[in-house]
Amino acid sequence: IAGITQAPTSQILAAGRRMTLRCTQDMRHNAMYWYRQDLGLGLRLIHYSNTAGTTGKGEVPDGYSVSRANTDDFPLTLASAVPSQTSVYFCASSEEGSSDTGELFFGEGSRLTVL
Amino acid sequence: GQQLNQSPQSMFIQEGEDVSMNCTSSSIFNTWLWYKQEPGEGPVLLIALYKAGELTSNGRLTAQFGITRKDSFLNISASIPSDVGIYFCAGPDSGTYKYIFGTGTRLKVLA
Repeated sequence: IAGITQAPTSQILAAGRRMTLRCTQDMRHNAMYWYRQDLGLGLRLIHYSNTAGTTGKGEVPDGYSVSRANTDDFPLTLASAVPSQTSVYFCASSEEGSSDTGELFFGEGSRLTVL
Repeated sequence: GQQLNQSPQSMFIQEGEDVSMNCTSSSIFNTWLWYKQEPGEGPVLLIALYKAGELTSNGRLTAQFGITRKDSFLNISASIPSDVGIYFCAGPDSGTYKYIFGTGTRLKVLA
């Protein structure tokens, strides 16, 4: 049972470089999310997508972009990485995005270090 | 926006003891979710609650959806060393359909 697969697991990146974190889910969930988790700040929503073809901004979207070309994939791109983007990034999904019920499932995370 | 207050922040307990933690919200939730996160891992969903008053178990874990729909409780019975981790609650914000997370309870079990 794969669930949500994130890649890479870990990456060290020079500031100014472009980086794409990949996320694939095999549960046919409509909604997908990207969070960053930082010590003392908890999980913060970067971008989300309620269904293929649509995306929305979360709490901390600056410096990040996403696309949702199909149901399964939701890549997160850092156009020009900066040290403050050093974090652990989690992709998540839920069956429906436009509902106030529903379970949220997480991937294993991608640890990114920007030097 | 909605916030989830979780307590206690951390707990150090002896193996075999029972653990109780809770989450409270300033607004009503229609779903409560409880997660465990271990170092270097993603959060794992333990229990989902959908109905006020609902009591649901998953092995040694029991969670309850508060009657007021503004709180939820997680109990772990007869703790073991592998229960170590951070437990946090979450729920979808009925206004935005995004998820709100508790601040987490860090559990350490002393053998």
